[in-house]
Amino acid sequence: DSGVTQTPKHLITATGQRVTLRCSPRSGDLSVYWYQQSLDQGLQFLIHYYNGEERAKGNILERFSAQQFPDLHSELNLSSLELGDSALYFCASSSPGGGGEQFFGPGTRLTVL
Amino acid sequence: AQSVTQPDIHITVSEGASLELRCNYSYGATPYLFWYVQSPGQGLQLLLKYFSGDTLVQGIKGFEAEFKRSQSSFNLRKPSVHWSDAAEYFCAVAPDSWGKLQFGAGTQVVVTP
Repeated sequence: DSGVTQTPKHLITATGQRVTLRCSPRSGDLSVYWYQQSLDQGLQFLIHYYNGEERAKGNILERFSAQQFPDLHSELNLSSLELGDSALYFCASSSPGGGGEQFFGPGTRLTVL
Repeated sequence: AQSVTQPDIHITVSEGASLELRCNYSYGATPYLFWYVQSPGQGLQLLLKYFSGDTLVQGIKGFEAEFKRSQSSFNLRKPSVHWSDAAEYFCAVAPDSWGKLQFGAGTQVVVTP
């Protein structure tokens, strides 16, 4: 158990819908990262938040957005869902001075029908 | 362009035999280097990391990795595999202790009796 929690574990929805994925980092970690894992793209970095502020963006679609709240949990919002958005979404957290290692949650498996 | 290459998509190894997984990277400077393992239906677990110092690093579960600057490689090894080592292994790099992880495509390891 990494100490990073993600909810829900599974999500099944229809095209055009909007969903919210939630992540709670390890106690004391200020950074939250979101990644998408799909069969065709592999593991891709989406976005990084540090202590409530966006630090870096990767291959994140405009239909996707994220935020980190004062209690440091983070949410990834996916809207106007398409079939191709079906994937595993991971969040990871890290601590300042932690040597760069990121600790991953169990993931949310999103299926868009 | 920065890249991480895992040349072997799939490796089959007998239980008790040695295992070596290859990872090559292309980066401007020596990045932070990681190996993660993903068991079916699970998140990613950090096996080991390297960013400076001794080029042979020890990790969890009996794994070790060797950094070779001249070859831009960070290969993962285990002297004697167990059936529980069957999983997918990912090499990852980051530009610094804060940055996003860039993952290789992964190597699926199958362990036969």
